[in-house]
Amino acid sequence: QKEVEQNSGPLSVPEGAIASLNCTYSDRGSQSFFWYRQYSGKSPELIMSIYSNGDKEDGRFTAQLNKASQYVSLLIRDSQPSDSATYLCAVNSERTYKYIFGTGTRLKVLA
Amino acid sequence: GAGVSQTPSNKVTEKGKYVELRCDPISGHTALYWYRQSLGQGPEFLIYFQGTGAADDSGLPNDRFFAVRPEGSVSTLKIQRTERGDSAVYLCASSLWGTTGDTQYFGPGTRLTVL
Repeated sequence: QKEVEQNSGPLSVPEGAIASLNCTYSDRGSQSFFWYRQYSGKSPELIMSIYSNGDKEDGRFTAQLNKASQYVSLLIRDSQPSDSATYLCAVNSERTYKYIFGTGTRLKVLA
Repeated sequence: GAGVSQTPSNKVTEKGKYVELRCDPISGHTALYWYRQSLGQGPEFLIYFQGTGAADDSGLPNDRFFAVRPEGSVSTLKIQRTERGDSAVYLCASSLWGTTGDTQYFGPGTRLTVL
């Protein structure tokens, strides 16, 4: 079992729709969770971080965390073609301080 | 202010050669991470520095890989006897403290191609 799992996609959504990206993790000691966006040929850039169960909203982005289910998700409202990228989920444990990344989900927003 | 920088941006080498990849973190960041990213994969952790010391090198694939950060700032990833399987983008990231939840900032990466 991979430590952080994501559906590789591509996930295609029409412009203006809500894109829902999911991530599961195996280490129950994980404490910090991150969503990064990576455009083709570029390095990852941080979109959201979340540490507590529940929802965290930032503009068009909402991160959701459920530690009991070991599940974290990212919702993108009013999706734009410029949101087309690979979205990486990363998990950090206090025990190791290292960040474990999923393989990423490729999102395509269709104009 | 300046972000994380990495040099070179591209490196092409022949199998068996030695390469050095450099990372210059954000000024004042104590934590520095090296990752390797292959096509279609997420970044794979290699090594984490806290200051000058390697706090976690569990991701280095074998003893051909070595990294240093002698003054707690710039880091160099060294790969001996390169193999074709080492071809990937090598990413460096830095964070202020390296504690849980600390935000990592990535550099642009070095694309290594081993022929």
